[in-house]
Amino acid sequence: QKEVEQDPGPLSVPEGAIVSLNCTYSNSAFQYFMWYRQYSRKGPELLMYTYSSGNKEDGRFTAQVDKSSKYISLFIRDSQPSDSATYLCAMGWGNAGNMLTFGGGTRLMVKP
Amino acid sequence: GAVVSQHPSWVICKSGTSVKIECRSLDFQATTMFWYRQFPKQSLMLMATSNEGSKATYEQGVEKDKFLINHASLTLSTLTVTSAHPEDSSFYICSAGNRANYGYTFGSGTRLTVV
Repeated sequence: QKEVEQDPGPLSVPEGAIVSLNCTYSNSAFQYFMWYRQYSRKGPELLMYTYSSGNKEDGRFTAQVDKSSKYISLFIRDSQPSDSATYLCAMGWGNAGNMLTFGGGTRLMVKP
Repeated sequence: GAVVSQHPSWVICKSGTSVKIECRSLDFQATTMFWYRQFPKQSLMLMATSNEGSKATYEQGVEKDKFLINHASLTLSTLTVTSAHPEDSSFYICSAGNRANYGYTFGSGTRLTVV
């Protein structure tokens, strides 16, 4: 079993839809959780970064963490074609010197 | 915000030659840098972790003599693919750890094609 599981998709939605992206994990040592967006042939860019259980909102994006269930989600409201990308969850523990463990990524396609 | 510059963005080389990829943190000191490899439609796979001034720590299955990593300063790490072969063709990405906020910033990646 992988430490972090993420549905690979692809996930295809119409413009304006609410998108839900999810990851589950098995290592209870993970302390912080991130979502990255990666466009084709580009490096990942950090979208959201959370420490604790609960919700964190940033514009159209909401990150949700449920440590008791070892489950994290990223919600995208009013999705746009420009949101079409691969979304990677990642999680880590300790200080910045520790490596991140990534999910496999979910490819999202938002159709106009 | 934290910026990591990675060069070159793409490179084509002949089989048997070596290629150097640079990763620079432009506005912060990166005590730790990570090198990843990504095959098409797959997630990032960590290759090695480098700490400034010390030897890199390689993940299992990654040949340290083939993928030479140097982290000589707090703002620069390099990955050299030695004696490259077509199976080394991939997308290589670096990221830098910033102790100030636990953040990780990625470079834009280097697409290596070995012919």
